Amino acid sequence: GESVGLHLPTLSVQEGDNSIINCAYSNSASDYFIWYKQESGKGPQFIIDIRSNMDKRQGQRVTVLLNKTVKHLSLQIAATQPGDSAVYFCAENISGNTPLVFGKGTRLSVIA
Amino acid sequence: DTEVTQTPKHLVMGMTNKKSLKCEQHMGHRAMYWYKQKAKKPPELMFVYSYEKLSINESVPSRFSPECPNSSLLNLHLHALQPEDSALYLCASSLRGGGILAGELFFGEGSRLTVL
Repeated sequence: GESVGLHLPTLSVQEGDNSIINCAYSNSASDYFIWYKQESGKGPQFIIDIRSNMDKRQGQRVTVLLNKTVKHLSLQIAATQPGDSAVYFCAENISGNTPLVFGKGTRLSVIA
Repeated sequence: DTEVTQTPKHLVMGMTNKKSLKCEQHMGHRAMYWYKQKAKKPPELMFVYSYEKLSINESVPSRFSPECPNSSLLNLHLHALQPEDSALYLCASSLRGGGILAGELFFGEGSRLTVL
């Protein structure tokens, strides 16, 4: 299930199940979005990106969905594995000369 | 080589010390970034260098001083820091600077700084 703790929302998923991590972004002008995975003690690692002219993009075991109407982004991970345990951040980019802005993050905990 | 390398991995310093964090990439990227990350928080942008020129300073206190000696190197000079500056400092690079054209950011593993 999903819970919101004092600092970081946590999603606990059984190994083999699918995971869905959600992100609400702030700016309707944002036109590029990236999902990053950050394991403990490491820097963020690129997972998948999507531009605003798309509503779905698939990678290996991951799918990103973009709903511009409600400013919502989701990351779906198929057949979740213990190695998927990490904090996941969505990041948005407003067009122009502005760098990425990161969302709050969700901790994914995979139960073996 | 698809790595961003940061040194040192860990740094402990007193409030009167002067130290530097270093970052290196050899991917031919022309934009480099410093982010600060506190525990259980997202990375927060500090500085952006685009084509070796400082393009963004997110109102960072002057006790943090960035330097970009060349397109492959980025330093962060630290002086008279406060205990609340303790955090993970992340360096990143992207192919080009700015906006949607910047594309994916490649991050280093970070330098964990503790200020006593």
